[in-house]
Amino acid sequence: QVHLVESGGGVVQPGRSLRLSCAASGFIFSSYTMHWVRQPPGKGLEWVALISDDGSQKTIADSVKGRFTISRDNSKNTLFLQMNSLRPEDTAVYYCARDGGGDLPLDNWGQGTLVTVSS
Amino acid sequence: EIVLTQSPGTLSLSPGERATLSCGASQSVSDKYLAWYQQRPGLAPRLLIYDASSRAIGIPDRFSGSGSGTDFTFTISRLEPEDFAVYYCQQYASSPITFGQGTRLEIK
Repeated sequence: QVHLVESGGGVVQPGRSLRLSCAASGFIFSSYTMHWVRQPPGKGLEWVALISDDGSQKTIADSVKGRFTISRDNSKNTLFLQMNSLRPEDTAVYYCARDGGGDLPLDNWGQGTLVTVSS
Repeated sequence: EIVLTQSPGTLSLSPGERATLSCGASQSVSDKYLAWYQQRPGLAPRLLIYDASSRAIGIPDRFSGSGSGTDFTFTISRLEPEDFAVYYCQQYASSPITFGQGTRLEIK
């Protein structure tokens, strides 16, 4: 079955960088658009970024534009989120999620990885 | 950007009762690209409903959705203990994808 496993979270100082990974299995990774969604502690969900199946199209939320970059390595079935110039307000659980395609939205999610931005 | 507003913020009900949650959009959600997710504490969101009224694979038929345009409704016909969680609506008709702020369904 579909399995998504995020890694790379941790505690980082403001202004520093962090790279998140999402390892995918159980489906043909290169056929699906993928997303990152985040959730600050005790708050709601915020969409962050998406990347098309072949990596040619990327869209980033305005709140992180210019600081975060989404990418993927289809040969390794892995999705990435490069986060630069981190701010305390970026503190959240970061989820990767598969876009189901067609009429389907985000149909499978990873368990999330916590990023804490604090001095 | 389409802003989604969910109501109520918190709903207190007992097992066996019917739950009705609302999601209002700031502009029309085309093609009914409106989804509902359940999130239990400490877990990732789970897709329940897509296309406003279609149940995702494996979702029990006590969960249903309806609506179009700017007004959508999510219903749990008869609450089970495991249904007490937070529910989010999401639109995926236009970029950026947006979520409602959530409705917390708690045991009365």
